[in-house]
Amino acid sequence: GEDVEQSLFLSVREGDSSVINCTYTDSSSTYLYWYKQEPGAGLQLLTYIFSNMDMKQDQRLTVLLNKKDKHLSLRIADTQTGDSAIYFCAESLYNFNKFYFGSGTKLNVKP
Amino acid sequence: GAVVSQHPSWVICKSGTSVKIECRSLDFQATTMFWYRQFPKQSLMLMATSNEGSKATYEQGVEKDKFLINHASLTLSTLTVTSAHPEDSSFYICSARDRRRGASKATNEKLFFGSGTQLSVL
Repeated sequence: GEDVEQSLFLSVREGDSSVINCTYTDSSSTYLYWYKQEPGAGLQLLTYIFSNMDMKQDQRLTVLLNKKDKHLSLRIADTQTGDSAIYFCAESLYNFNKFYFGSGTKLNVKP
Repeated sequence: GAVVSQHPSWVICKSGTSVKIECRSLDFQATTMFWYRQFPKQSLMLMATSNEGSKATYEQGVEKDKFLINHASLTLSTLTVTSAHPEDSSFYICSARDRRRGASKATNEKLFFGSGTQLSVL
């Protein structure tokens, strides 16, 4: 399967910005996604970016894509305690039949 | 947004029994649904791809006779864990792809998840 990697933990203070990073190996990725998972719940799609884009901004969320380095990041501005969750990056390949997920980054927001 | 309902949320069963988990797309038709398994503090592992009206495609290492998948309609897929054992205890999550005709390509490529089922086998 494809290799999607993320750091496991990130801790920030409320009000600061959070940056969660992800690397992937398959250059034929078409869409890249960020999902949020709260305890005991399924995954919620936060945002996604098409592989020919460099950046996408959606309110407090900014997605940066460096296709050359196969690096994806999610920046959360003005991080709140309600943002504490596990964040997964995922990629879908050219045939859209499969989605591959990273191991998830647990974001802890301190008051 | 699109809603995927997964039921039950949690189930406890005795070793050797079978458990059925349902995944329904409530406001869209899902020709393809996916079943994932998640171990604590780990990522989602794709188990199988369920296509409406045809046999499921299983990932390598997943026993198709143990994890029975049925996708009988455009809005329902079921996963049955047969003869469950303690090592089958895990968090199972389904997802569905909204493939509406006429929708943008980006819409078509969104994957919506159920809330998951925590299975505990005693």
